[in-house]
Amino acid sequence: DTGVSQNPRHKITKRGQNVTFRCDPISEHNRLYWYRQTLGQGPEFLTYFQNEAQLEKSRLLSDRFSAERPKGSFSTLEIQRTEQGDSAMYLCASSLDYSPLHFGNGTRLTVT
Amino acid sequence: SQQGEEDPQALSIQEGENATMNCSYKTSINNLQWYRQNSGRGLVHLILIRSNEREKHSGRLRVTLDTSKKSSSLLITASRAADTASYFCATETSGSRLTFGEGTQLTVNP
Repeated sequence: DTGVSQNPRHKITKRGQNVTFRCDPISEHNRLYWYRQTLGQGPEFLTYFQNEAQLEKSRLLSDRFSAERPKGSFSTLEIQRTEQGDSAMYLCASSLDYSPLHFGNGTRLTVT
Repeated sequence: SQQGEEDPQALSIQEGENATMNCSYKTSINNLQWYRQNSGRGLVHLILIRSNEREKHSGRLRVTLDTSKKSSSLLITASRAADTASYFCATETSGSRLTFGEGTQLTVNP
């Protein structure tokens, strides 16, 4: 069990650019979640997958955001045409069915 | 939207003292979980209490749940400087997502 891995750890981008983050969950976990966290706040749910199926999306996930989990393994989260308000920590978590979540250390995005 | 609200927002205590954090939520739940987050890191699961349970212990942690008041508390006994972190409650309702509160920042002074 090597834990949930997220890359990159930090990303600085200019407004209007596209960015993509990757999450590698714990290998036997079938569920994968994306959360967003801003300073001083709790994580906010964005979306989750069961295997390769994206089962739920938050209304926070505008059409500039897209997430994929091909083959039910790693996942990517892409943000198109980034805005300054997208600056946040993006957290990935995985779980086996309904068990507690295992989080990665996040990708911190700064949009300048 | 945030389901849980933690109280207090910040807590500063001396090593050896007990720390109590409270969480209130709005809707019926399947379970309530507590997580810890060190600065700049991901969250780590501490303890889960189901809706039909009233109290649960794990090491120096004690969690209570009052579904009639829609509230929970986390007690950390004999605190250590290493317990300094943010603590979040999270509620599970539909079996899919966890909804987190805004957290309590705990500082334990040596």
